[in-house]
Amino acid sequence: AQSVAQPEDQVNVAEGNPLTVKCTYSVSGNPYLFWYVQYPNRGLQFLLKYITGDNLVKGSYGFEAEFNKSQTSFHLKKPSALVSDSALYFCAVRDITLSGGGADGLTFGKGTHLIIQP
Amino acid sequence: DSGVTQTPKHLITATGQRVTLRCSPRSGDLSVYWYQQSLDQGLQFLIQYYNGEERAKGNILERFSAQQFPDLHSELNLSSLELGDSALYFCASSGGTYEKLFFGSGTQLSVL
Repeated sequence: AQSVAQPEDQVNVAEGNPLTVKCTYSVSGNPYLFWYVQYPNRGLQFLLKYITGDNLVKGSYGFEAEFNKSQTSFHLKKPSALVSDSALYFCAVRDITLSGGGADGLTFGKGTHLIIQP
Repeated sequence: DSGVTQTPKHLITATGQRVTLRCSPRSGDLSVYWYQQSLDQGLQFLIQYYNGEERAKGNILERFSAQQFPDLHSELNLSSLELGDSALYFCASSGGTYEKLFFGSGTQLSVL
């Protein structure tokens, strides 16, 4: 089975400071990793993905994530946080063991609430 | 706007009842996914359809079923509802295997 862990339920950061939201994964093969963000009363929005290539992936709204194979991590980062970044963030991995073969449904972590304080 | 439309936005019903949630994917997307989001379980993958055919099953209960129609819209049927089925149900669509998912705004189901 493949899984994703987000060890922090909540992360608090002062506006203007760098932020990190942690994610670790467990897969049987090569991982395909994603970050999504959910604002209140909205569906999830795609931020960025890692399929292959450069370990540092840049995404929307100034976010980036670093893939670390040895630590099985895919932490989300941003150099300078904005109050508007406050939201619920989900890390996800493509689960290739789902029934049906060739399925591309994602397995999501439980989410991390990011709170940016003015 | 993600381009994925879900109806209704809110649904209140009683235990033992049956409901149908509807999803229209983004124009051109052949894959539709259903997810359940609750406070205790997080975001759980239920089922995926691709061009009308079931492609993958996740943690979907036997009381739940889904289908995708020729026009690519999808319906999730929930029957014999229990209090624990109260959750936010999301539909998402994608254009390909490694493409990102586009999520609808969800249907908030409350079972009383």
